[in-house]
Amino acid sequence: RKEVEQDPGPFNVPEGATVAFNCTYSNSASQSFFWYRQDCRKEPKLLMSVYSSGNEDGRFTAQLNRASQYISLLIRDSKLSDSATYLCVVNMGYGGSQGNLIFGKGTKLSVKP
Amino acid sequence: GAGVSQSPSNKVTEKGKDVELRCDPISGHTALYWYRQSLGQGLEFLIYFQGNSAPDKSGLPSDRFSAERTGGSVSTLTIQRTQQEDSAVYLCASSLATYRGGGAFFGQGTRLTVV
Repeated sequence: RKEVEQDPGPFNVPEGATVAFNCTYSNSASQSFFWYRQDCRKEPKLLMSVYSSGNEDGRFTAQLNRASQYISLLIRDSKLSDSATYLCVVNMGYGGSQGNLIFGKGTKLSVKP
Repeated sequence: GAGVSQSPSNKVTEKGKDVELRCDPISGHTALYWYRQSLGQGLEFLIYFQGNSAPDKSGLPSDRFSAERTGGSVSTLTIQRTQQEDSAVYLCASSLATYRGGGAFFGQGTRLTVV
């Protein structure tokens, strides 16, 4: 089983749609979780951290389910500028130390007018 | 600047030559990561440095690859006797040393082409 798995997509949605991405991870000891976005031929950029209580940043909502080892990202009212690849990232650190960051292969989103 | 800086931004080298790629992390970030990304592929972990701890080298694909981090700051990734399959974008990232430190920030990468 891969350490971090995502549906590769692509997801093709119209402007204004709500879209959800899912991610599963294999290591139950993983400590922290993130979503990144990567535009074509650019470096990945941190979108948001994911906390157990769930967290929201404007149109973006991230959820973590530790029991199911599952992470989600919801984008509401999608914009053309949301078109990118979304990467699920898991940190294998323990306690106060930060371990390796493992990236999923990403889900491609294309928002159409 | 305040971000992660990588140099060179592009490098074309002949097969068999050695190359060195440089990464200047964000000031105060004690964790530093190297990844590579081939065209259309995901990020492949190479190596991770955390403070004075021994680096996690588990992602280095062969003994032709090595990396060091001097003084807990600047890092150099060295590829010896380059092969065509080494062609990729090499990305460096840095982060704070706490497990909820907010994730890592990437440089713009070095695009390596081996001809």
